[in-house]
Amino acid sequence: QVQLAQSGAEVKKPGSSVKVSCKASGENFKTYTVNWVRQAPGQGPEWMGGILPLFGTVNYAPRFRDRVTISADEFTTTVFMELSSLASEDTAVYYCARDRGQGTSALPMDVWGQGTTVSVSS
Amino acid sequence: DIVMTQSPDSLAVSVGERATINCRSSQSVLYSSNKKNYLAWYQQKPGQPPKLLIYWASSRESGVPDRFSGSGSGTDFTLTISSLQAEDVAVYYCQEYYSPLRTFGQGTKVEIK
Repeated sequence: QVQLAQSGAEVKKPGSSVKVSCKASGENFKTYTVNWVRQAPGQGPEWMGGILPLFGTVNYAPRFRDRVTISADEFTTTVFMELSSLASEDTAVYYCARDRGQGTSALPMDVWGQGTTVSVSS
Repeated sequence: DIVMTQSPDSLAVSVGERATINCRSSQSVLYSSNKKNYLAWYQQKPGQPPKLLIYWASSRESGVPDRFSGSGSGTDFTLTISSLQAEDVAVYYCQEYYSPLRTFGQGTKVEIK
């Protein structure tokens, strides 16, 4: 049974960066796309980007492309999401979520981390 | 970009009654080559991540009770809870995975009347 365990809550100042980790347990870490989805208070989820560790292929949503970096460490089976130039509007719960199936095909997300709250305030 | 619009924003249903949630996409999410609708439904309870209920518009995820069903094609979709239970109180989201942006709807809050 695959599980995704995320790092703890963060409090950041405007203009700074945050790096959130997502450790995967279970088999076939490299062959599943892991995505990052954020959810601002009272809002619906929003996809930020995803990585397929097998090829190191990363895709980003255009609105985040210039300030988000998603990476993976196959030895620790951990995926990272770093978001820079933080503003108050980035206050949200950030989730990692795995695609329901291997490879790069378009799929929904069936395994989710518990979420990491990132608060941005001066 | 594909815009996903759900209706209603909230609804209150008596235990044992039917709950129906609608989702409309601004363009078709039916892929012509495989005849699949790239549409999923999620359930989210307070303090929890979304849980996948339905994919390919009508396929139920393993372990999801059969009172949950999905229907529709192209741009118009429906999630039906045939007999609402107390544990079904949650916010429900549709999501398209046809486009790279994998856009979610704004959510529909289901409560007990």
